[in-house]
Amino acid sequence: GEDVEQSLFLSVREGDSSVINCTYTDSSSTYLYWYKQEPGAGLQLLTYIFSNMDMKQDQRLTVLLNKKDKHLSLRIADTQTGDSAIYFCAESIEYGGSQGNLIFGKGTKLSVKP
Amino acid sequence: KAGVTQTPRYLIKTRGQQVTLSCSPISGHRSVSWYQQTPGQGLQFLFEYFSETQRNKGNFPGRFSGRQFSNSRSEMNVSTLELGDSALYLCASSFSTGTRGYTFGSGTRLTVV
Repeated sequence: GEDVEQSLFLSVREGDSSVINCTYTDSSSTYLYWYKQEPGAGLQLLTYIFSNMDMKQDQRLTVLLNKKDKHLSLRIADTQTGDSAIYFCAESIEYGGSQGNLIFGKGTKLSVKP
Repeated sequence: KAGVTQTPRYLIKTRGQQVTLSCSPISGHRSVSWYQQTPGQGLQFLFEYFSETQRNKGNFPGRFSGRQFSNSRSEMNVSTLELGDSALYLCASSFSTGTRGYTFGSGTRLTVV
């Protein structure tokens, strides 16, 4: 079945770059997503990448996709204390000829030390 | 532009009771999905509605049901509540089915005692 794996914790110093990694299993995934969840809040869509791309940059965020290895990463440049949160990787499973539901990883808790 | 609104934010129920959660999508969004988030299982897909029809369903027992109204608002119902149903229930909307990411609400925190 479909599965998304990501490491559970990452700790970095303020100003450093953070890299959160994710692997997925479904080769038919069309879109891959990164969501952010702060305490007590819902999920905030950070960015997504279409499966025929290998990189996408959006301000401090860079997403790299290695489709052959089914590996996705999110790089946050100049990490700030406000970036402390849980980051979820998700793949969208094809359903009925279009995108279906999201399969999420367990989330990576990013802690940023001042 | 208002976001996805979920009500209530918090709910405490007793085992065996039933509960109804509500979700108002972003104006113009016709697809509404529901997810359950627990510490043990993480985020799991419950169901998706599009134009008042259930388009897709996750692997949950029949105690979990939902519906969508003509104004795209959605409700989910859980009958005969169990302790394990305690979770954060998240609703997400998108303009069409699965288009480029869903916008999530803040969720309803359900506690079953």
